[in-house]
Amino acid sequence: EDQVTQSPEALRLQEGESSSLNCSYTVSGLRGLFWYRQDPGKGPEFLFTLYSAGEEKEKERLKATLTKKESFLHITAPKPEDSATYLCAVQVGTGGFKTIFGAGTRLFVKA
Amino acid sequence: SAVISQKPSRDICQRGTSLTIQCQVDSQVTMMFWYRQQPGQSLTLIATANQGSEATYESGFVIDKFPISRPNLTFSTLTVSNMSPEDSSIYLCSAQGDYGYTFGSGTRLTVV
Repeated sequence: EDQVTQSPEALRLQEGESSSLNCSYTVSGLRGLFWYRQDPGKGPEFLFTLYSAGEEKEKERLKATLTKKESFLHITAPKPEDSATYLCAVQVGTGGFKTIFGAGTRLFVKA
Repeated sequence: SAVISQKPSRDICQRGTSLTIQCQVDSQVTMMFWYRQQPGQSLTLIATANQGSEATYESGFVIDKFPISRPNLTFSTLTVSNMSPEDSSIYLCSAQGDYGYTFGSGTRLTVV
């Protein structure tokens, strides 16, 4: 069964304290892996798409990496405005395809 | 990336009634998706909606309960029918853009 697991469930950081969020997956026919940010009461906001092992994407304080079994979202020197839930999703399938979301990591950054 | 306008943003409904949620995309998209998100949980795909064909439903979701319309390439509706308190959730629509998937802002539904 296709499965996406994110860890930790929640992460509390001090401003400037760098860390990483993990997304591990067990799927067949991976087409792509996505990272989203979701603020309370809003829909997910697209951050990155990764397609193959070894690929990396960066945006401001965020950097996403991908291996054959997992992806990391590295947050460098976070600020309070980075506080949100970060969702990982994988797109699978060969003919039709569907997207499976992980449960998310709630990040709290304290000033 | 595509921008999606979703409405209503929230509603409180009586059990046994139906609610239709609308999503308007600012560009033409082939596929649109409807998700449900329980409080504090992740997104569960309800169905995929292609223009000109019937929606494809995921396991556990049926057309009679969640009828979907997709009359053109920029618009879709999801109806939550014969609602019960268990249907209380956030409903989100999504469309594939150039670099990833764009989501509407969600509809927070409370059934009383």
